[in-house]
Amino acid sequence: DARVTQTPRHKVTEMGQEVTMRCQPILGHNTVFWYRQTMMQGLELLAYFRNRAPLDDSGMPKDRFSAEMPDATLATLKIQPSEPRDSAVYFCASGLPQVQPQHFGDGTRLSIL
Amino acid sequence: AQSVTQLGSHVSVSEGALVLLRCNYSSSVPPYLFWYVQYPNQGLQLLLKYTTGATLVKGINGFEAEFKKSETSFHLTKPSAHMSDAAEYFCAVSSAQGGSEKLVFGKGTKLTVNP
Repeated sequence: DARVTQTPRHKVTEMGQEVTMRCQPILGHNTVFWYRQTMMQGLELLAYFRNRAPLDDSGMPKDRFSAEMPDATLATLKIQPSEPRDSAVYFCASGLPQVQPQHFGDGTRLSIL
Repeated sequence: AQSVTQLGSHVSVSEGALVLLRCNYSSSVPPYLFWYVQYPNQGLQLLLKYTTGATLVKGINGFEAEFKKSETSFHLTKPSAHMSDAAEYFCAVSSAQGGSEKLVFGKGTKLTVNP
């Protein structure tokens, strides 16, 4: 079965460090989503892309977060500088326009000390 | 703006008993509705979806849900719980208008199945 692949699966780092999370969408999917999951806020959409162009990043803190798609097979989410409140599980999902469902990766569990 | 409310953050049932997980939504446009399941340390898997047409939707693992527009509800049911159903369940809504695929999730309901 085709899968969305996220790396790393776990990341522990100190406050102030740069964090980069990567996502390989399912081949042929041109829409990529980044979500953040926390106990307090649940699942929140941070940003999403179609054909590598950002469509909506209104859920993402602009001062420290950035999301890009260098090519169709790679999406990245960066945090610089990281803060303890960024600790969460970050999910990537991919899909096709107007065709559900979105397919989720297994997430990156991020801990900022 | 769209929103989802899942009543009950934790639900506990006995093996073989009926599972009922509640979901109410708010949407100013015709909604697409979804139920996802999340097992520990994994991503979300789609259980079932409602887009248009038949309001009773059947999904995987014996789950089904009924779209009730008058009640703005999309409750998830399964006649007989199995131990393997223990997981967290998320209801989500998306706008059917304009082809938007953004999902707005509820806070989730953790299902425990007791032997």
